[in-house]
Amino acid sequence: QVQLQESGPGLVKPSQTLSLTCTVSGGSISSGSYYWSWIRQPAGKGLEWIGRIYTSGSTNYNPSLKSRVTISVDTSKNQFSLKLSSVTAADTAVYYCAREEAAGYYYMDVWGKGTTVTVSS
Amino acid sequence: DIQMTQSPSSLSASVGDRVTITCRASQSISSYLNWYQQKPGKAPKLLIYAASSLQSGVPSRFSGSGSGTDFTLTISSLQPEDFATYYCQQSYSTLLTFGQGTRLEIK
Repeated sequence: QVQLQESGPGLVKPSQTLSLTCTVSGGSISSGSYYWSWIRQPAGKGLEWIGRIYTSGSTNYNPSLKSRVTISVDTSKNQFSLKLSSVTAADTAVYYCAREEAAGYYYMDVWGKGTTVTVSS
Repeated sequence: DIQMTQSPSSLSASVGDRVTITCRASQSISSYLNWYQQKPGKAPKLLIYAASSLQSGVPSRFSGSGSGTDFTLTISSLQPEDFATYYCQQSYSTLLTFGQGTRLEIK
């Protein structure tokens, strides 16, 4: 079955750009009707949706982060990526990637294990 | 933004208890409501989608109901592995939002 795995630096300096990649295995990122999403969770807090990209390449972003976020897809590598610019300590969190079913109702049925990103000098 | 409010924020219960968690949306979201379970150090797991559809592989003691603005997640008979945090999430809007979570603890 489809599995997702996040990867990227665990430590990012303030004002720099956080870059993460989600690798999809067990299926093609281009097939089916799916969104590919990023969600984050600060330690001890709730879930915050960051944004998503559809298989066609169209994107939706959380307005609270929109000016700093870019999500892209690389179908040749079966990956999608997150870039978050001008990071601060408030961006320290566990970052998850997820597949969102998009045929009729919408729900995130496959999640990566998450990767911890700390913003610190 | 559509605000999702869960109640209670935390709950203590015993094995075998019937438990209900409520989620209220700030506007009507039809049945575009999902429930997730999260255990410490783990990713969220989908339990219920479209308000009342049980995800494949999820035990039948979990059920969901509601439409419009008011939704419930019910666990009919708590098992030890059910102690976790539960989140509702709306997918009606292109800005997806989660409830703040309900922490279910052992009494």
